[in-house]
Amino acid sequence: EDQVTQSPEALRLQEGESSSLNCSYTVSGLRGLFWYRQDPGKGPEFLFTLYSAGEEKEKERLKATLTKKESFLHITAPKPEDSATYLCAVQGRGDFNKFYFGSGTKLNVKP
Amino acid sequence: KAGVTQTPRYLIKTRGQQVTLSCSPISGHRSVSWYQQTPGQGLQFLFEYFSETQRNKGNFPGRFSGRQFSNSRSEMNVSTLELGDSALYLCASSMQGAVASEQYFGPGTRLTVT
Repeated sequence: EDQVTQSPEALRLQEGESSSLNCSYTVSGLRGLFWYRQDPGKGPEFLFTLYSAGEEKEKERLKATLTKKESFLHITAPKPEDSATYLCAVQGRGDFNKFYFGSGTKLNVKP
Repeated sequence: KAGVTQTPRYLIKTRGQQVTLSCSPISGHRSVSWYQQTPGQGLQFLFEYFSETQRNKGNFPGRFSGRQFSNSRSEMNVSTLELGDSALYLCASSMQGAVASEQYFGPGTRLTVT
């Protein structure tokens, strides 16, 4: 079965301290890998879609990369407002519109 | 473009009751998925509807059901509520296409079962 594992579970950074979040996946034919940001009590907010190994996407301080087995979300010089839970999801070619979500990385950026 | 809307936002029910949650997708989106989110289990897939047909189903008991209307709006129903059904229920909509398309989530319905 398709699976997504995210690490670390929680990450505490000082403002300006860059780091990366990891998303490892097992899927029978990747249709897409998605990154979301979720604030407490709210629905996940879409960030990026990656379709194939080698692809990269950027948005402000965030950059997502994709290999054949994992994706990284790089956070450059984070600010306190970047504090949130970051979720990774994959869509395989088997179940057409079924998404498999990881358990997320809870990021806390201290001023 | 208006986002995904869910009603009600908050619900308090007692064990044994049933509940119906509603979701209106983004205009033009024909696929609607439902998820249950709890602190311990994360996002768990319930089911997905497209053109009024259930295409995918997660591993939840038959007490959880859903439907989709011709205007793509969707409802989910939980019968005989249990304490463990307390969760944030999220609805997500997406376009139907040949390539993968991202899902857009609503704000969720917070269900508390007492």
